[in-house]
Amino acid sequence: GAGVSQTPSNKVTEKGKYVELRCDPISGHTALYWYRQSLGQGPEFLIYFQGTGAADDSGLPNDRFFAVRPEGSVSTLKIQRTERGDSAVYLCASSPRGGSTDTQYFGPGTRLTVL
Amino acid sequence: DAKTTQPNSMESNEEEPVHLPCNHSTISGTDYIHWYRQLPSQGPEYVIHGLTSNVNNRMASLAIAEDRKSSTLILHRATLRDAAVYYCILREISAGGTSYGKLTFGQGTILTVHP
Repeated sequence: GAGVSQTPSNKVTEKGKYVELRCDPISGHTALYWYRQSLGQGPEFLIYFQGTGAADDSGLPNDRFFAVRPEGSVSTLKIQRTERGDSAVYLCASSPRGGSTDTQYFGPGTRLTVL
Repeated sequence: DAKTTQPNSMESNEEEPVHLPCNHSTISGTDYIHWYRQLPSQGPEYVIHGLTSNVNNRMASLAIAEDRKSSTLILHRATLRDAAVYYCILREISAGGTSYGKLTFGQGTILTVHP
């Protein structure tokens, strides 16, 4: 079946602009995660959704970052007033239930470049 | 989440076994040991996980020390497609917490496989 998809694959924007990154999880997965990966580093957790609600948003770096999952499926990560330090690959993952033994299935990521 | 320590890099020859070590001396009784790997330009993918006993699947084997303070991921016959960054991750068992679903990645081990 189809895996996790993310759009766009690449996004170039200017400092101060607003961007939206989209994630389509595997159908039927209730848990959805966003991570951010800077060059040479491991992915860093941002936010975790269980259904429509954010169960853990402790990884969001500041209030410029916001994510939604209004119908419990597709999720959008929104970044306001982008800064050059926001440049990274943004990864989305989904899992069937969200438990500690659940496998997380990752998408290919969106590479964000802020000029 | 408890911290893991892995070598920065390892090398192997094709068709030979590879043993990737991970130290987690502060592991608690409620932590599962998970391994993910990330191939170049892709999102991470699940490899294997375990709690106390050794585990085998089609991709790899996981050997867990009796005191659980270390573990080893074993690739029985490395191929060029196994060249990736391998991450050893601890995840809490507890189902009630809000943060137990996320993965906390370290730097991982870069595995190079020579033909």
